Amino acid sequence: QITLKESGPTLVKPTQTLTLTCTFSGFSLSTSGTGVAWIRQSPGKALEWLALGYWDGDKRYLSSLRSRLAISEDTSKNQVFLTLSNMDPADTATYFCAHRGGDDDAFDVWGPGTMVTVSS
Amino acid sequence: DIQMTQSPSSLSASVGDTVTITCRASRSISGYLNWYQQKSGTAPKFLIHTTSTLQTGVPSRFTGSGSGSDYTLTISSLQPDDFATYYCQQSYSSPPTFGGGTKVEIK
Repeated sequence: QITLKESGPTLVKPTQTLTLTCTFSGFSLSTSGTGVAWIRQSPGKALEWLALGYWDGDKRYLSSLRSRLAISEDTSKNQVFLTLSNMDPADTATYFCAHRGGDDDAFDVWGPGTMVTVSS
Repeated sequence: DIQMTQSPSSLSASVGDTVTITCRASRSISGYLNWYQQKSGTAPKFLIHTTSTLQTGVPSRFTGSGSGSDYTLTISSLQPDDFATYYCQQSYSSPPTFGGGTKVEIK
């Protein structure tokens, strides 16, 4: 059974860097085809894909946020990290991590999400 | 990037109704269209993969269809558990992109 869970600060100040952790179980990031994505949802808004780290080390980012985003992993701990620098109130959102398990970028299992508020 | 446009943005329906949600991509996505259901305060749930493949445990009243750039999600005999927001997402090309969502409300 695949599970994922996000963790990190609930409140950050403008200009700070956000670091979120996705702790997962039930799969290995070394398995061909797998990946972990980060997706966010601002209050009352639609889902917005941010980044995806693949089993082969490839990493993809939303182009509009590329300069601020980084995804990394600690495979020994089954964790994937997302950093988003220079936080702004517009980054206030629930952040989800999700499992990519097939041949395309569909996300079959999601974590419950973590709400991050950006405010001074 | 491929833009995904869903319609309607919301609809009201009664238990037992059949509802249809449409999703249009800005170009052909060759069937790489996925559907998710999200209930308030929870994570999205993966419903349908690549146009029409229901995920394990998804009731057969959910049907996906379409091709090219136009896709639909049909829910037959709407049940109380189906009132939620539905999102389409293309997995044809990077970046994966989501539609704006369709909220299905109780009439």
